[in-house]
Amino acid sequence: GENVEQHPSTLSVQEGDSAVIKCTYSDSASNYFPWYKQELGKGPQLIIDIRSNVGEKKDQRIAVTLNKTAKHFSLHITETQPEDSAVYFCAARRGNNRLAFGKGNQVVVIP
Amino acid sequence: DSGVTQTPKHLITATGQRVTLRCSPRSGDLSVYWYQQSLDQGLQFLIQYYNGEERAKGNILERFSAQQFPDLHSELNLSSLELGDSALYFCASSVEAPGELFFGEGSRLTVL
Repeated sequence: GENVEQHPSTLSVQEGDSAVIKCTYSDSASNYFPWYKQELGKGPQLIIDIRSNVGEKKDQRIAVTLNKTAKHFSLHITETQPEDSAVYFCAARRGNNRLAFGKGNQVVVIP
Repeated sequence: DSGVTQTPKHLITATGQRVTLRCSPRSGDLSVYWYQQSLDQGLQFLIQYYNGEERAKGNILERFSAQQFPDLHSELNLSSLELGDSALYFCASSVEAPGELFFGEGSRLTVL
């Protein structure tokens, strides 16, 4: 089945700087790649997703890029703010299969 | 608020005991998923139900079982509990399968 890996496991950034989290996946047929954000004491929440027919997608300060050849996709957060501190999970899915999640990245924004 | 309700939020019990975790999906969502989150394992998929029927099984132990009732709420039963079962258990729901997952706030289980 699909295997998703995230790097780095923990990322600390100064407020206002950019943060980038990268995920790699194993199944070249995967075609849907969402990112979930988990704040302390809450469940994960979808923040952005991308499908395999698109290379990049933006939503205000966050963006996701997809490199199908290298089988990796990245989450970019610009102008980081304290409320961006959370655990971020990437996931991948092939067709109607269930999502395979990565282990999560802890992002810490230092004021 | 995702619209997914999980109870209880916290549960402390002893090894060998049995507990039941409950999930009410978002109104209209037919699919319910259960995940286990431990510190070093991320989100581990346990089981999925769609409109009352089991749809997919993940790394769910034989000591664990689940069901989805006609009103679409779901229960996860954990028995013969071990220390290693201590974790956050999340329920998620979606309108269809597959679809965008909406997670509850989780049930934190501590086994002493």
